[in-house]
Amino acid sequence: NAGVTQTPKFQVLKTGQSMTLQCAQDMNHNSMYWYRQDPGMGLRLIYYSASEGTTDKGEVPNGYNVSRLNKREFSLRLESAAPSQTSVYFCASSEAWGNSPLHFGNGTRLTVT
Amino acid sequence: GQQVMQIPQYQHVQEGEDFTTYCNSSTTLSNIQWYKQRPGGHPVFLIQLVKSGEVKKQKRLTFQFGEAKKNSSLHITATQTTDVGTYFCFLDMRFGAGTRLTVKP
Repeated sequence: NAGVTQTPKFQVLKTGQSMTLQCAQDMNHNSMYWYRQDPGMGLRLIYYSASEGTTDKGEVPNGYNVSRLNKREFSLRLESAAPSQTSVYFCASSEAWGNSPLHFGNGTRLTVT
Repeated sequence: GQQVMQIPQYQHVQEGEDFTTYCNSSTTLSNIQWYKQRPGGHPVFLIQLVKSGEVKKQKRLTFQFGEAKKNSSLHITATQTTDVGTYFCFLDMRFGAGTRLTVKP
């Protein structure tokens, strides 16, 4: 039982490059999330998927797109990376939207130069 | 919109001292969760509080939910070096800024 798996663990991009962060959960959870964590800023919600087939914007969606590929997988895409997107990205899942504990992946440390 | 305030931002204690972090909301909450993140790690769920005035304990950790369901606290009795990390409250799908705890042996 792996929980929430994120790939890659580390990535360095040049400004303007694109990439997709992958996330998969094996807990049969309905809801999935993408957060970014910057020093002194806590965790901020980028996008979420309350259930399979739906996605919605969080606090900081600009510059990102997401795809809920199926119940297990939720990917985050940066179309044209900017230095301001240098951050640690966490994927999380929960049994249901709203009042269920979040289970986090180990994170992706992204640097944009 | 809802404002979430978590204080203090940092706390440095001597091992054996107590520690408390507070989380305040501008609106009434349906529930609140607490998470711990070790340095270099990911957030890990600790507990969820739902009822007004609720108090829950996990060994040396005591969690409280305010009577008005607008604030909450996490208290650690007799800190140990294993308590090091950042403690976050989580309410209405938003995280507080976190309190970073360091413990001097």
